[in-house]
Amino acid sequence: DIQMTQSPSSLSASVGDRVTITCQASQDISNYLNWYQQKPGKAPNLLIYDASNLETGVPSRFSGSGSGTDFVFTISSLQPEDIATYYCQQYDNLPTFGGGTKVEI
Amino acid sequence: EVQLVESGGGLVTPGGSLRLSCAASGFTFSSYSMNWVRQAPGKGLEWVSSITSSSSYIYYADSLKGRFTISRDNAKNSLFLQMNSLRVEDTAVYYCARGSKVGAGWVFDSWGQGTLVTVSS
Repeated sequence: DIQMTQSPSSLSASVGDRVTITCQASQDISNYLNWYQQKPGKAPNLLIYDASNLETGVPSRFSGSGSGTDFVFTISSLQPEDIATYYCQQYDNLPTFGGGTKVEI
Repeated sequence: EVQLVESGGGLVTPGGSLRLSCAASGFTFSSYSMNWVRQAPGKGLEWVSSITSSSSYIYYADSLKGRFTISRDNAKNSLFLQMNSLRVEDTAVYYCARGSKVGAGWVFDSWGQGTLVTVSS
């Protein structure tokens, strides 16, 4: 299995801050990397697919980059509604998720 | 609007069986691959199983060791997960998720609200 290591596991930031989450794959996964947001008590929601493509309807303050083994997810200006846990997911092989990053204000 | 509604969860004793269902609406169900993803209480997401649009290809997480069976009924817009020999560690919320047209179906672009499976004596 391809292991996905996300960091940090949690972070606290202020409204308006730039937030960065990293995801590292245990082997080269090209750009087969997605990012999801999960708010408490809710189902996950797709934000970014193929490392850098913004899903339709997702605010432009969310972005993703990277390829190979190292990926970055960024919230350019943190908003109160962005409080959630964020997961990366690879699909170069059978899907695996990162451990999640809990974002708090 | 895409809707996915899971049902069939509940309390079951270890070694028991349960069948989950996912009713789909708002899209052409027969054109999409479908998936099950689970989340143990307070834990992260774990992919469980996937099935292609015509059931030609089926995939399972290695950890399931043949205990789970995914299936679908395109005529009834429904996805299923038969779970046998359930273990305490199978306790989780089980989500039904649609595979996007991009990413060969491995991008999960719509999710149900989940159904809770509790395995306990």
